[in-house]
Amino acid sequence: DVVLTQTPSTLSATIGQSVSISCRSSQSLLDSAGNTYLYWYLQRPGQSPQLLIYLVSNLGSGVPNRFSGSGSGTDFTLKISGVEAEDLGVYYCMQATHAPWTFGGGTKLELK
Amino acid sequence: QVTLKESGPGILQPSQTLSLTCTFSGFSLSTYGMGVGWIRQPSGKGLEWLANIWWDDDKYYNPSLKNRLTISKDTSNNQAFLKITNVDTADTATYYCARIWNTPGDYWGQGVMVTVSS
Repeated sequence: DVVLTQTPSTLSATIGQSVSISCRSSQSLLDSAGNTYLYWYLQRPGQSPQLLIYLVSNLGSGVPNRFSGSGSGTDFTLKISGVEAEDLGVYYCMQATHAPWTFGGGTKLELK
Repeated sequence: QVTLKESGPGILQPSQTLSLTCTFSGFSLSTYGMGVGWIRQPSGKGLEWLANIWWDDDKYYNPSLKNRLTISKDTSNNQAFLKITNVDTADTATYYCARIWNTPGDYWGQGVMVTVSS
């Protein structure tokens, strides 16, 4: 199975601070057709996960543009340019290039 | 407006079969490319993608659960189902269903808590 390693596991930030979360894969997520099936989700406390980013760098519907995704191959990054209070929660990366689909262990974003 | 809602037994005993239902609206599982997936999350832990069913009745299962999973659908009634046989305490979790429309999990249900206990 593909292992996704997220760092850091916990991130403390102030409102307005810019932060980044890393997601590293044990295998390349580029498939033979040139697609990279890497996604980012946010799970706010007590809520279901919600899609933030699809296919590495595409913003989900209704997602603020302070969120951005980048990366290729095995290294991916989610950046929040100016944290807001509503961004607190646990962030997960997920890959669907290889079966079984797997999630990273999560990064908890909390207020400093 | 897309919505999904999971339902299940709440609590069941070890060795029983867990039956979950996902009732959705705002889309159809007869639409080309559409799918529904099941994901679970033990309390305080991470996410595990379990199974998918597609518009053409193709299915995907996470091999880690070996042959314990069965996914199915009722297109006419906008429902998807997941059965997990021979449950044990490790299956205690919140179970989510999610839409797959080019993108896994563009919409999620609120989740249903399932406890396996004797």
